[in-house]
Amino acid sequence: QKEVEQNSGPLSVPEGAIASLNCTYSDRGSQSFFWYRQYSGKSPELIMFIYSNGDKEDGRFTAQLNKASQYVSLLIRDSQPSDSATYLCAVNGNFGNEKLTFGTGTRLTIIP
Amino acid sequence: SAVISQKPSRDICQRGTSLTIQCQVDSQVTMMFWYRQQPGQSLTLIATANQGSEATYESGFVIDKFPISRPNLTFSTLTVSNMSPEDSSIYLCSVAGSNQPQHFGDGTRLSIL
Repeated sequence: QKEVEQNSGPLSVPEGAIASLNCTYSDRGSQSFFWYRQYSGKSPELIMFIYSNGDKEDGRFTAQLNKASQYVSLLIRDSQPSDSATYLCAVNGNFGNEKLTFGTGTRLTIIP
Repeated sequence: SAVISQKPSRDICQRGTSLTIQCQVDSQVTMMFWYRQQPGQSLTLIATANQGSEATYESGFVIDKFPISRPNLTFSTLTVSNMSPEDSSIYLCSVAGSNQPQHFGDGTRLSIL
């Protein structure tokens, strides 16, 4: 059974600092990796996806993937109070065409 | 990305009744999925809605409890049948085009009395 693990937090980070969110997965056949942001009372919103080893940057967000270590991370630079949310890591075997397995999410709080 | 409309946005239902949730997309999509998010928990996949055929259910979910329809490439329904308080949850529709990541509708917040 595929498993995706995240530290549930809460993770508190000062405003302006770098927030680092981590995720490990059990299925070596996993091909695609996603980070969703979920504000309280809202549905998940896709913020990053990655499927090649290395880093992928989009604005203040950087996703990092290490398939050998079965590890994916999300870095948020210059953290803002609006980044306070739960971040869900999700994994699937084929880009977009298979079910997602979600981690339990990490609750991030940015402290002004 | 596609615009996803999910209805109703919330409902309060009596135990033993059934509720049908609709998911409408503004463009044709390859894949449609239904997830459940119980209070304070992460998302769990209920089933993949297959166009023109029976849905593919995940372990722990059965068609009699969660019948799903997908008559075309832009619309799907999930019915929560014979509801009990344990069914109180958020139900989410997600869609994905070919080689595209999944995006979620706004969800249906369901409370069972």
